[in-house]
Amino acid sequence: QSALTQPASVSGSPGQSITVSCTGTSSDVGSYNLVSWYQQHPGKAPKLVISETDKRPSGVSTRFSGSKSGNTASLTISGLQAEDEADYYCCSYAGTITFGIFGGGTRLTVL
Amino acid sequence: QLQLQESGPGLVKPSETLSLTCTVSGGSISGSSDCWGWVRQPPGKGLEWIGSVYTSGATHYTPSLKSRVTISVDTSKSQFALKLSSVTAADTAVYYCARHLWTYKWYFDLWGRGTLVTVSS
Repeated sequence: QSALTQPASVSGSPGQSITVSCTGTSSDVGSYNLVSWYQQHPGKAPKLVISETDKRPSGVSTRFSGSKSGNTASLTISGLQAEDEADYYCCSYAGTITFGIFGGGTRLTVL
Repeated sequence: QLQLQESGPGLVKPSETLSLTCTVSGGSISGSSDCWGWVRQPPGKGLEWIGSVYTSGATHYTPSLKSRVTISVDTSKSQFALKLSSVTAADTAVYYCARHLWTYKWYFDLWGRGTLVTVSS
């Protein structure tokens, strides 16, 4: 099964909002509210920022939010800060054969 | 608090078996989750789930690696392990172990720092 589709890069200025999309199929994103999002700074391990499509783990800034429409999930970061500059990966449950797949990743640049 | 640490050789020869161990400290491997997983990231590329193991010993693997992967758990040592056989240069990656919330969830909420494994003669 192919990786979920994410834009290679997005950018925004401090204080602005950006949205990263994650497009799958009716076999993964479209069928389950089990999309998670991870933030990864260079040379560091990924960090969970959104679970189960729209749940924000304890300790994650309220500026991060998740949503889904059809086969596309989205991560929105509001009030962009310099520290948000990182790579972001989505991941979705995909049933009892594939189980789970990641997106290709999106590099966020804060201008 | 709970921490995960990967360990194992950083260099493996082609056709040999890659072996890594993840040690869970600061808490019980059985008490904090029923599932633990491995995720890898080739240099400059994205994340790929390899497989996961329940503390019961049951396993699930990604289909593309299933024929070469074995994941096991030793609850007495608070460790779980990854073996990947017949490796090639394409298996060169940073390998992460992670706590895997599976049932009705499917996400990784706690990660090790990762260990780079290079496949080269």
